[in-house]
Amino acid sequence: NAGVMQNPRHLVRRRGQEARLRCSPMKGHSHVYWYRQLPEEGLKFMVYLQKENIIDESGMPKERFSAEFPKEGPSILRIQQVVRGDSAAYFCASSPQTGRYTEAFFGQGTRLTVV
Amino acid sequence: DQQVKQNSPSLSVQEGRISILNCDYTNSMFDYFLWYKKYPAEGPTFLISISSIKDKNEDGRFTVFLNKSAKHLSLHIVPSQPGDSAVYFCAASAMYGQNFVFGPGTRLSVLP
Repeated sequence: NAGVMQNPRHLVRRRGQEARLRCSPMKGHSHVYWYRQLPEEGLKFMVYLQKENIIDESGMPKERFSAEFPKEGPSILRIQQVVRGDSAAYFCASSPQTGRYTEAFFGQGTRLTVV
Repeated sequence: DQQVKQNSPSLSVQEGRISILNCDYTNSMFDYFLWYKKYPAEGPTFLISISSIKDKNEDGRFTVFLNKSAKHLSLHIVPSQPGDSAVYFCAASAMYGQNFVFGPGTRLSVLP
């Protein structure tokens, strides 16, 4: 059973370009979470999605950031017109649909560098 | 407003001794708590969890204690090993389907 897969592992973008980060959850998991870790900081919640629905996006910046989790395919975190301050490690996690008290499993992360 | 706090940014412990990592939370709705370990350039990996109906959960060298009245939990690692050196994150969730709120992490260094 493959774990949470994120790609790319490393992404370099120039200021003003778009960044697309992909996350394939573990098999059987229908809940996806995106977190951002700035250098020397903890994990900051961004958005929580279920298939085709955004459940909680309270941690998403109001502009330039969007996320989706389509019925088919991976979850995508999209950052438009990137700025230097977007440079960070972005982690995706997934959890199963059933049961309470379930943990989230993380991918290896995508390290975004804006130059 | 930080809902999950880890007030010690770092901790150094001698190999073989006990490591105690602390976590405090403010949201009384949290009822499930988790500890994750993170190595550099890797994603966090799940270590151990505890639900609010318990006050202790043990898994090998790792034990988590929960004090609901104090809104405090701790992770004990005994005996500590050099491979335990990593950043440890405390996380909490309020109910099924809610997101997981993470603390800022504590960097543990186990000295040989």
